[in-house]
Amino acid sequence: GAGVSQSPRYKVAKRGQDVALRCDPISGHVSLFWYQQALGQGPEFLTYFQNEAQLDKSGLPSDRFFAERPEGSVSTLKIQRTQQEDSAVYLCASSLRLAGSYEQYFGPGTRLTVT
Amino acid sequence: GENVEQHPSTLSVQEGDSAVIKCTYSDSASNYFPWYKQELGKRPQLIIDIRSNVGEKKDQRIAVTLNKTAKHFSLHITETQPEDSAVYFCASKGAGSYQLTFGKGTKLSVIP
Repeated sequence: GAGVSQSPRYKVAKRGQDVALRCDPISGHVSLFWYQQALGQGPEFLTYFQNEAQLDKSGLPSDRFFAERPEGSVSTLKIQRTQQEDSAVYLCASSLRLAGSYEQYFGPGTRLTVT
Repeated sequence: GENVEQHPSTLSVQEGDSAVIKCTYSDSASNYFPWYKQELGKRPQLIIDIRSNVGEKKDQRIAVTLNKTAKHFSLHITETQPEDSAVYFCASKGAGSYQLTFGKGTKLSVIP
């Protein structure tokens, strides 16, 4: 079946602009995660949804970052008033999240460049 | 919170040789340890994982070992091929959490 998809794949924003990044998880996957991957680093956790509920947003770096998953499927990560330090690849992952099922499957990411 | 250390940061091996990447974690309650392969510009791909109740798992040329006492786990790739060249990330999941904590990655180069 189709994997996790993300759009856009690349986004260039001028400092101060707002951006919205979209994630389409694998159909039927209950859990959805957003990670931020800086150049040459491992992914770092941002936020977690179980269905439409945002259960953990402890990784969001500032209140300029906001995520939602209103119908428990597609998710959007929004960054307001972008700063240069927001430049990174934003990865979405989904997981079935049945008991004992921990595998997370990643999308291709959105590369955000803030100029 | 959980901390994952990964070594080495770069690794070059001759084709056909073995490669070993090592990770340590800090949370003794962590219970799930996946490994991801990420080629340049591509998504991280899950290649193998291990649960805390298992000491070793093998899948063809790749294997993972876990030492819970030492809080240490390793990825072993045998008979390396040029297509194994990529960045490999280890990760762990705490028992009471959902998210993964990743190491900084190992860039593996397999020289033909």
